[in-house]
Amino acid sequence: GENVEQHPSTLSVQEGDSAVIKCTYSDSASNYFPWYKQELGKGPQLIIDIRSNVGEKKDQRIAVTLNKTAKHFSLHITETQPEDSAVYFCVMNSGYSTLTFGKGTMLLVSP
Amino acid sequence: NAGVTQTPKFQVLKTGQSMTLQCAQDMNHEYMSWYRQDPGMGLRLIHYSVGAGITDQGEVPNGYNVSRSTTEDFPLRLLSAAPSQTSVYFCASSYSTRGQGNSPLHFGNGTRLTVT
Repeated sequence: GENVEQHPSTLSVQEGDSAVIKCTYSDSASNYFPWYKQELGKGPQLIIDIRSNVGEKKDQRIAVTLNKTAKHFSLHITETQPEDSAVYFCVMNSGYSTLTFGKGTMLLVSP
Repeated sequence: NAGVTQTPKFQVLKTGQSMTLQCAQDMNHEYMSWYRQDPGMGLRLIHYSVGAGITDQGEVPNGYNVSRSTTEDFPLRLLSAAPSQTSVYFCASSYSTRGQGNSPLHFGNGTRLTVT
């Protein structure tokens, strides 16, 4: 199946710093790239998504960038807060009705 | 609005036992799916359905069966549990079936299954 590589697997930052998570993919037909946040004991929840006709999208402290030529996309969180601590997954659509998840990044924001 | 409800939250099975993980959604979503989550592996798609009466296999379907008799329910059956099926299972739904590029997945809170 299609593959998406996510880095880093863990990320520790101080409160107020920025955090960046990067993903690369191989399927040039992918055109939808959502990001999910998973808090402990809960299911993942969509936080932002981007489609292939857009290079960047922002929502308050969260932004996602997409480089279709290089086949990579990134999540940027500015002014991190302790409540941002969670596991983040990059995702891409692969095939008509399926999504492929990256292996996740555990973000820890220390006060 | 309850969203996606999964039961049970926890389950312990012995090897060879069978059981059904329940999933129900009250959002009238056409698309429903099951994922398993293992440490360091992300979420892997087991089976999915684009509407009542229609199911298809995902990345890791072996050992699991599904059916979709109603829009609301999408149960996952383990016919003969194996230790390799120890995992956290998530059900998810969305209102769009077109390439999954139109709408977010709504996840339940998971079922933690241990097979001894």
